Amino acid sequence: EAQVTQNPRYLITVTGKKLTVTCSQNMNHEYMSWYRQDPGLGLRQIYYSMNVEVTDKGDVPEGYKVSRKEKRNFPLILESPSPNQTSLYFCASSPTGTGHGYTFGSGTRLTVV
Amino acid sequence: GQSLEQPSEVTAVEGAIVQINCTYQTSGFYGLSWYQQHDGGAPTFLSYNGLDGLEETGRFSSFLSRSDSYGYLLLQELQMKDSASYFCAVSSGYSTLTFGKGTMLLVSP
Repeated sequence: EAQVTQNPRYLITVTGKKLTVTCSQNMNHEYMSWYRQDPGLGLRQIYYSMNVEVTDKGDVPEGYKVSRKEKRNFPLILESPSPNQTSLYFCASSPTGTGHGYTFGSGTRLTVV
Repeated sequence: GQSLEQPSEVTAVEGAIVQINCTYQTSGFYGLSWYQQHDGGAPTFLSYNGLDGLEETGRFSSFLSRSDSYGYLLLQELQMKDSASYFCAVSSGYSTLTFGKGTMLLVSP
């Protein structure tokens, strides 16, 4: 089954403790992105990647890092999480990168206390 | 930068037709897409317009006018399961997809 898999689904952590949210897709898509969703703000792009070793900042990159060492994986790293990073996070992949046919993961609900 | 405007909420009854409008401002334009999201679940792709005109996919249609920076999603024969949030999203470059804040559609019996 074609899918984007994110882990974990839920995470509660403390301020300053480094964490990684994993994202993997099995569709051989070149384009992958991370979004955060907050009430009333919609989905905001954090980082995106157009291929292996090619990444760039989205609209809200501060406090986040990403890497794309393999085509299928695009982990999101929070080096020193803060409470304002409490949010619902989605990873997505696409064959085109133009908004057509993005497949989203099930989401990771992160709480930083 | 990019900005999109869509209504925050729309209500309709089962069997009706509803139109959700989206206006956008962007530097560079590849296309306008629409996504559906049920209550905190994963957004799912509905439709995409790269060129002006109407795209039809079953009960859903989407329209784009690039000269007016405007598009809409048309949902026909509404069903209760269509109650969800609908997002328009504009692509101004490869992988730079900017979403609107979403329209919550409430379908009543």
